[in-house]
Amino acid sequence: DAGVIQSPRHEVTEMGQEVTLRCKPISGHDYLFWYRQTMMRGLELLIYFNNNVPIDDSGMPEDRFSAKMPNASFSTLKIQPSEPRDSAVYFCASNSFSNQPQHFGDGTRLSIL
Amino acid sequence: GQQVMQIPQYQHVQEGEDFTTYCNSSTTLSNIQWYKQRPGGHPVFLIQLVKSGEVKKQKRLTFQFGEAKKNSSLHITATQTTDVGTYFCAGVWTSGGYQKVTFGIGTKLQVIP
Repeated sequence: DAGVIQSPRHEVTEMGQEVTLRCKPISGHDYLFWYRQTMMRGLELLIYFNNNVPIDDSGMPEDRFSAKMPNASFSTLKIQPSEPRDSAVYFCASNSFSNQPQHFGDGTRLSIL
Repeated sequence: GQQVMQIPQYQHVQEGEDFTTYCNSSTTLSNIQWYKQRPGGHPVFLIQLVKSGEVKKQKRLTFQFGEAKKNSSLHITATQTTDVGTYFCAGVWTSGGYQKVTFGIGTKLQVIP
């Protein structure tokens, strides 16, 4: 069984550039979560989807961040324009129901110079 | 908003010593989940507690859920170097008809051989 697949694994870019992170959830999972992890703030929930519909985006830091889920097998998290303070590890996770254990991808380590 | 406080944030132990991390929620939880993240890895689900006062064991790991379903603990007996990592609790509760999840800040465990 393939797990949650994220790409890229690492991204280094200059501030002001657009960054797109990608996630493929586990097949059959109806919920998809995007998290940001930093030393200072830990694991923060940014947004989650149910059946491709955004349910709670209260964790999205600001308008520079946007997330989409065009179909059940693909989601993107976009940062435009990127800033150095966006540097973090971004995780995608999925599960079959929102109160069930989450399966995390390997994460994208993002560095904004 | 809903908070899950986790202490301590860091813990160094000698191999063979015991280790405990605690989580406290500001509100009653539906359930609580525990995850482990190895250095450079992603959070991996360990266990879920649902019932008031529940106690579950996995080899040297003992998980407890408080009677009021507001606090939980993870205890490791006789730590080994393989226990190194960050342990997260994740509180699950209902809001607006949806299940919500908040992760604690995590406890980073270092085991000194």
